[in-house]
Amino acid sequence: QKEVEQDPGPLSVPEGAIVSLNCTYSNSAFQYFMWYRQYSRKGPELLMYTYSSGNKEDGRFTAQVDKSSKYISLFIRDSQPSDSATYLCAMSGGGATNKLIFGTGTLLAVQP
Amino acid sequence: NAGVTQTPKFRILKIGQSMTLQCTQDMNHNYMYWYRQDPGMGLKLIYYSVGAGITDKGEVPNGYNVSRSTTEDFPLRLELAAPSQTSVYFCASSYSSRTLNTGELFFGEGSRLTVL
Repeated sequence: QKEVEQDPGPLSVPEGAIVSLNCTYSNSAFQYFMWYRQYSRKGPELLMYTYSSGNKEDGRFTAQVDKSSKYISLFIRDSQPSDSATYLCAMSGGGATNKLIFGTGTLLAVQP
Repeated sequence: NAGVTQTPKFRILKIGQSMTLQCTQDMNHNYMYWYRQDPGMGLKLIYYSVGAGITDKGEVPNGYNVSRSTTEDFPLRLELAAPSQTSVYFCASSYSSRTLNTGELFFGEGSRLTVL
């Protein structure tokens, strides 16, 4: 079993739709949960960061962490064509090395 | 402030050739990383460094070497290139201390390597 599982998609939605992206994980030591966005032929960039369980909102984006179910989600409201990208979940147990374990990424296309 | 800069952006190698991927950052970050990204496989950590003079293996270090002589630079060396090393390579950096560990990595734009 992989440490982090993510549905690769691709996911295609119309502009304005609500998008839900998800990851599951197996390592209960993970405490830091992140979502990175990667545009085509670019490096990933941090989108959302959450420590432990709970919700975090930033504009149209909401990140949720449920440690009891080992499940994290990213919701995008009022999706825009500019949101078209690959979304990678990432997580770590913290500690000195700051090593992240990444999901495989979900390719999202928002159709105008 | 350029962030993380990788060179070259593209390279084609023949089997058995060697090359170095260059990475430099101007954010005074103490941590640096090399990842490879293959289709459907996500990002895999090759090597990382927690400071000048200190390096350690990640998940997939075989066939690669690194050095960290300065805070800014973290080159990745490929010896005896093989087709399995065809991939997109990303360098990243972060700042971490005992009191600050945000998990935010800053990535370069990637180096696309093809081994034929």
